[in-house]
Amino acid sequence: QKEVEQNSGPLSVPEGAIASLNCTYSDRGSQSFFWYRQYSGKSPELIMFIYSNGDKEDGRFTAQLNKASQYVSLLIRDSQPSDSATYLCAVPGAAGNKLTFGGGTRVLVKP
Amino acid sequence: NAGVTQTPKFQVLKTGQSMTLQCAQDMNHNSMYWYRQDPGMGLRLIYYSASEGTTDKGEVPNGYNVSRLNKREFSLRLESAAPSQTSVYFCASSSGLNYGYTFGSGTRLTVV
Repeated sequence: QKEVEQNSGPLSVPEGAIASLNCTYSDRGSQSFFWYRQYSGKSPELIMFIYSNGDKEDGRFTAQLNKASQYVSLLIRDSQPSDSATYLCAVPGAAGNKLTFGGGTRVLVKP
Repeated sequence: NAGVTQTPKFQVLKTGQSMTLQCAQDMNHNSMYWYRQDPGMGLRLIYYSASEGTTDKGEVPNGYNVSRLNKREFSLRLESAAPSQTSVYFCASSSGLNYGYTFGSGTRLTVV
């Protein structure tokens, strides 16, 4: 089992809809979780960070953590064509000094 | 604010040639990282430096060497390039994992 897993997609959503992305992780001790957005040909940029249980909202983005089931979700509300990108989930490794990334989910928002 | 600067942005090498990818950050971060990104493989850690003077292997270190020249600079060297090293290389830095990484713009390397 990979440490961090994501559905590669593409996840196709109509403009204005909610895009829901999931990320599962294997280390039960993981405490913090990161979501990065990567446009084609560009570098990843941090869009959300969540620590411990619960939800975190930032603008149109909501991160939800379910530690019991070992997954973290990213919701994008009112999806826009500019949200079309690959979304990477990242989790600190067991030693806590580096991030392990999932393979990413490609999102396509269609006007 | 420059953030993390990588050079070069593009490079074509012949098999067996050597080259060094340069990375510098101006955010006073302690930790620096080198990842490679291949289609379908995601981001894979090559080497990292948790602090000045230390380096450690990541998931895919074979064929690479690194130097943490000072707190700002972390270079990645390919001694004898192979076609399997064709990839996009990203340097990143961090002040602590609670804050995530800041990535450079990447180096697109092709080995023919």
